[in-house]
Amino acid sequence: AQKVTQAQTEISVVEKEDVTLDCVYETRDTTYYLFWYKQPPSGELVFLIRRNSFDEQNEISGRYSWNFQKSTSSFNFTITASQVVDSAVYFCALSEWNYGQNFVFGPGTRLSVLP
Amino acid sequence: DGGITQSPKYLFRKEGQNVTLSCEQNLNHDAMYWYRQDPGQGLRLIYYSQIVNDFQKGDIAEGYSVSREKKESFPLTVTSAQKNPTAFYLCASSIKGQGDTEAFFGQGTRLTVV
Repeated sequence: AQKVTQAQTEISVVEKEDVTLDCVYETRDTTYYLFWYKQPPSGELVFLIRRNSFDEQNEISGRYSWNFQKSTSSFNFTITASQVVDSAVYFCALSEWNYGQNFVFGPGTRLSVLP
Repeated sequence: DGGITQSPKYLFRKEGQNVTLSCEQNLNHDAMYWYRQDPGQGLRLIYYSQIVNDFQKGDIAEGYSVSREKKESFPLTVTSAQKNPTAFYLCASSIKGQGDTEAFFGQGTRLTVV
């Protein structure tokens, strides 16, 4: 069965600090996909990144970076030099390659960036 | 603009009533999904549809029904059988119903039972 764990329920940082959001997943499939979404106060989930299980390269996009480690089943998300606009709930999600796709979401981490 | 439109944004329902949440997409996506989000919790899948006229139950389908008569529309009905319907409902779509495509979300409908 698929499962996504985000152990950090809430994190507070001061602006310009770096922050890492943890994500640990469970799956029996060898082909799977991992995602991060941001949910600002407006409620809509905003897609940030997709990573497939065969690509363990880390990715950087501006102040955002992602570290994928299959050995520890983790897909962590780091925000460098955080800003107030980064305040949101962040969800990690997992999807397997099959008909009847089902995104399994973690419980989310609420990030508060204080000025 | 392409996207997913959910309506209404806020919805109030009396106990014992059925209510239908609208979800329309103009992204030409094959797959569509309904999720429920409770305060402080993640998203739970209610129903999903890979193609027109076909849909599958998710983890918490009891008390809900859907239809997929058109590619762009996937309405969700919350029936009186749903014991605790107060929640935030999110509709999503993806290009195809396979794992390698991300889902795009609407802005959600907040349903409150009064």
